[in-house]
Amino acid sequence: SQTIHQWPATLVQPVGSPLSLECTVEGTSNPNLYWYRQAAGRGLQLLFYSVGIGQISSEVPQNLSASRPQDRQFILSSKKLLLSDSGFYLCAWSVTRNEQFFGPGTRLTVL
Amino acid sequence: RKEVEQDPGPFNVPEGATVAFNCTYSNSASQSFFWYRQDCRKEPKLLMSVYSSGNEDGRFTAQLNRASQYISLLIRDSKLSDSATYLCAVNMNRDDKIIFGKGTRLHILP
Repeated sequence: SQTIHQWPATLVQPVGSPLSLECTVEGTSNPNLYWYRQAAGRGLQLLFYSVGIGQISSEVPQNLSASRPQDRQFILSSKKLLLSDSGFYLCAWSVTRNEQFFGPGTRLTVL
Repeated sequence: RKEVEQDPGPFNVPEGATVAFNCTYSNSASQSFFWYRQDCRKEPKLLMSVYSSGNEDGRFTAQLNRASQYISLLIRDSKLSDSATYLCAVNMNRDDKIIFGKGTRLHILP
């Protein structure tokens, strides 16, 4: 069966510090991968998605970036965090146009 | 019109009652529809996919109304454990993205 991992589970970072969040998927090949952010009391905002290694589509201009160095690995990064980057970051995978399955998420607080 | 719209609630419903949520979508070409459940401070979990003919899973029934462009979720004999936020999601048939509604909060009261 497929599983998706995210780490860390929680993170507290100062403004201006770098960020690296990792997501890995097991049990499937060539999945579509997604990064979402959910701010407190708000909906899911799609940040990036990828249909293959090295292929990244950005949905919202911001100071975040994403990379997919391996088929089942998706990384979300920032060089300098802003206060507004605080939120619940969720990675998800899918097989084309079908339902998405989410990882446990990373709760990021920027101080 | 927003791409996917839900009543934010909260719906406060006594245990054992039946509750129904609707979700409207803007793109008539949409092909795939889903309901997710999200508990507080947890990730969304797939509850049901919604098929053209409607589908049922125990106490949960999902239906699609293409003419009026909405999907619905019916929960019968509600349990305290049904308290959560319910998100609808729609693939707009443009690409591999799903658009999520902001969710409807449900509180089941003892």
